[in-house]
Amino acid sequence: GNSVTQMEGPVTLSEEAFLTINCTYTATGYPSLFWYVQYPGEGLQLLLKATKADDKGSNKGFEATYRKETTSFHLEKGSVQVSDSAVYFCALSYYGQNFVFGPGTRLSVLP
Amino acid sequence: DAGITQSPRHKVTETGTPVTLRCHQTENHRYMYWYRQDPGHGLRLIHYSYGVKDTDKGEVSDGYSVSRSKTEDFLLTLESATSSQTSVYFCAISESRTGGNDEQFFGPGTRLTVL
Repeated sequence: GNSVTQMEGPVTLSEEAFLTINCTYTATGYPSLFWYVQYPGEGLQLLLKATKADDKGSNKGFEATYRKETTSFHLEKGSVQVSDSAVYFCALSYYGQNFVFGPGTRLSVLP
Repeated sequence: DAGITQSPRHKVTETGTPVTLRCHQTENHRYMYWYRQDPGHGLRLIHYSYGVKDTDKGEVSDGYSVSRSKTEDFLLTLESATSSQTSVYFCAISESRTGGNDEQFFGPGTRLTVL
């Protein structure tokens, strides 16, 4: 079946550091890929998405590129801020099937 | 922000009592979902709905039932709550389940504690 693997963390960075959160997937066919963010005490919010190979999703300084050859969708940001502290979920969606979420990666950014 | 509300936001109940959680949307999206979020498990799908009176089970449906009598409302019922159902419950909606409009939008969550 379809699955998503991501580093669970926690990840602790200093402000302005470079961020990478790895996400790899297993799926039949070519799923849509998503990154969601959950701030403390809130629900998940869509951060970015990509629907086909080589697509790059971007939002709020975050980027992720759909890499079919490595079945990956790594999340990156060039300079993190304290306000980026949250839990980040990688997810996939395949035609007509339920979403599959990764376990989430907790990010803490220190001033 | 997608118009999704959940009620109640917090609830403490005792083992063996029935509990109903409500999800209300104002987006007129066809699909609605109930998830639970637990440490070490991420998000797990309980039940989902693909239309009024049309529902199906997710991966952790035992002990839960759902109903959808109107497009905008999706109810999750724990017939007899157990301590293992202590969790944070999220409702989500989506316009479709095919590429392009299949992203899900989440409500704020309900924290349920079963003593």
